Amino acid sequence: RKEVEQDPGPFNVPEGATVAFNCTYSNSASQSFFWYRQDCRKEPKLLMSVYSSGNEDGRFTAQLNRASQYISLLIRDSKLSDSATYLCVVSRGTYNFNKFYFGSGTKLNVKP
Amino acid sequence: NAGVMQNPRHLVRRRGQEARLRCSPVKGHSHVYWYRQLPEEGLKFMVYLQKENIIDESGMPKERFSAEFPKEGPSILRIQQVVRGDSAAYFCASSPPSGQLNTEAFFGQGTRLTVV
Repeated sequence: RKEVEQDPGPFNVPEGATVAFNCTYSNSASQSFFWYRQDCRKEPKLLMSVYSSGNEDGRFTAQLNRASQYISLLIRDSKLSDSATYLCVVSRGTYNFNKFYFGSGTKLNVKP
Repeated sequence: NAGVMQNPRHLVRRRGQEARLRCSPVKGHSHVYWYRQLPEEGLKFMVYLQKENIIDESGMPKERFSAEFPKEGPSILRIQQVVRGDSAAYFCASSPPSGQLNTEAFFGQGTRLTVV
């Protein structure tokens, strides 16, 4: 079983739509959670960390459900520039060990 | 503060040659990770290193691939006797010493290897 699983999409949505991505992780010992964004042929970049209480950054809202081991990302009022692949990431480790586990990504296409 | 620096950005090698990919982590970061990404596919973990130590190489092919992160200088991913199937984008990431929640990984811009 994969450490992190995501629906690969693509999600094709019109501008202004609200879109939600989910991902599940298999190891309950996972400690930290992130959403990264990757544009075509570019490196992944941190979009936001995901906190246990849920957190919001402008049009983006992330939620974590530890009991069900899933993470979600909600994008409101989609823009053309939101078109990208969104990577769900978890990490776990100790003081001197920190390993990241990446999902395969969910592709989002926002259309005019 | 410079981010993760990878070079070269693009590398072309003929089959059978060696490819050396370099990665300088963010200053102060002691953890380095290498990932490979084929076109239209996700990131595949290759190896996790700390200074002078390989922590996890479970994603490295058994032959032709090696990685190091010496006490001084950048981390090197070395591919010997390259084959066409090695053509991919190779990303390096770094993170600081852990012990803190939500310590993120920072990525370099990647090296695009083309084997002809």
